[in-house]
Order: sequence, then C-alpha cells, then structure tokens
Amino acid sequence: SQQGEEDPQALSIQEGENATMNCSYKTSINNLQWYRQNSGRGLVHLILIRSNEREKHSGRLRVTLDTSKKSSSLLITASRAADTASYFCASPRYGNKLVFGAGTILRVKS
Amino acid sequence: DVKVTQSSRYLVKRTGEKVFLECVQDMDHENMFWYRQDPGLGLRLIYFSYDVKMKEKGDIPEGYSVSREKKERFSLILESASTNQTSMYLCASTVLAGGTPYRGELFFGEGSRLTVL
Repeated sequence: SQQGEEDPQALSIQEGENATMNCSYKTSINNLQWYRQNSGRGLVHLILIRSNEREKHSGRLRVTLDTSKKSSSLLITASRAADTASYFCASPRYGNKLVFGAGTILRVKS
Repeated sequence: DVKVTQSSRYLVKRTGEKVFLECVQDMDHENMFWYRQDPGLGLRLIYFSYDVKMKEKGDIPEGYSVSREKKERFSLILESASTNQTSMYLCASTVLAGGTPYRGELFFGEGSRLTVL
C-alpha cells in the first residue's frame, strides 16, 4: 500500500490563486519530500522537510509537517499557468524505502 | 547541472521480446533506482542498487531484472515483455546519506514510456 496519500486527487484553480495539497502517511518518518512532474516528464524535487521541522519555505512554496497527525501540506502561492503539473509527496517507509503517493493533479487556468 | 539520462523516451515492443532500459547518471551517486508509474498508482519501486554489482528488490520485482556493472549505469531488463508491463519507467539516483539512501532528494531521468503489444 502507498505510504503517502495525496488529497485532493485533482485541483483546478485560476491563475493568481493559492493551491493547497495535502499528504498523509502511515508510519514514522525522518523526512518527507515533495516532487513535481510535468506531463510526460520525470519528477523534479521541490522541497524536503525533516521530522523535527514544522514549516519550510522555498520561493512561492510553503510546506508544513504535522508528525502528530502524520500529515503534510504543500501550499503554492500566487499560482501561475506554469505550475500546472502533478505533485507527489514521498517519505521513507520503515526508514528504508522511499514511497510515493498517487499524486495531486494541479491545473492552473489563465 | 546534475543529470540522469534514460536511453529511450519511447519504445514499442512485442510480447515476448527482451527489453533493455538504460540509465546513466553523471553525479557519482551510489544509489540508483528503477520505478514504474501507472495512473492512479503513483510510483512503485522495482529494484534499486546501492553499489556496483549490488541490487535489492523493490515492491514489484517480478518480471524484471537489473544490472549495475559500472557506478554510473543502471539497466532494467524485461526478459520476456508482457502487455501488463506497458508503463512509464523512471530511473533515479541519489547520494548515500546517513547510512540510508532515502534521506536526500532523488534525481530523476525524463522517463521511458514502454508499450508492449
């Protein structure tokens, strides 16, 4: 079974709006990572948050981690059409294998 | 710039054919991975390698084998392709950090979309 589960499965917003994606996981982790995938391409690493961190920023990205709820969120502020992509969370399972969720498909309409 | 290169972006093969998917990284990473990606299932780990000639099964190794003769190259082999192996295959690499390959970011290739007829 997947370690990470993203929510929602798909999200459609207007350019300029914020996009929030959520990820839940099942076991204790030492870090959680977010990746982006443009259609038909490989994944690109966006941000890594460690288990002792609660929030991390990178440009227009803000990631939070709540280890008590086993959940993380990715916020993209002031979205652009170029942000249209699939977004995946990934976390080590049992500290060993990195497991990806099924992803959130984000569509930003201009 | 770091780079992971997959030899073929698109392949079409027939059932029963032997298929080689090649992956090369130029970052001197110890760890390399093969994932397959299917709609609604996310990425599933097929095999990974943490050193030359070393390999470990992932979650779905059946029907696949791998080869790592040189540090920079990791090959995925489908001995006898079947239609249920039609998928997007993604290679990735990362450094070994803290004794485990999963503490750092993965660098992915562009993917190889395989169709088996």
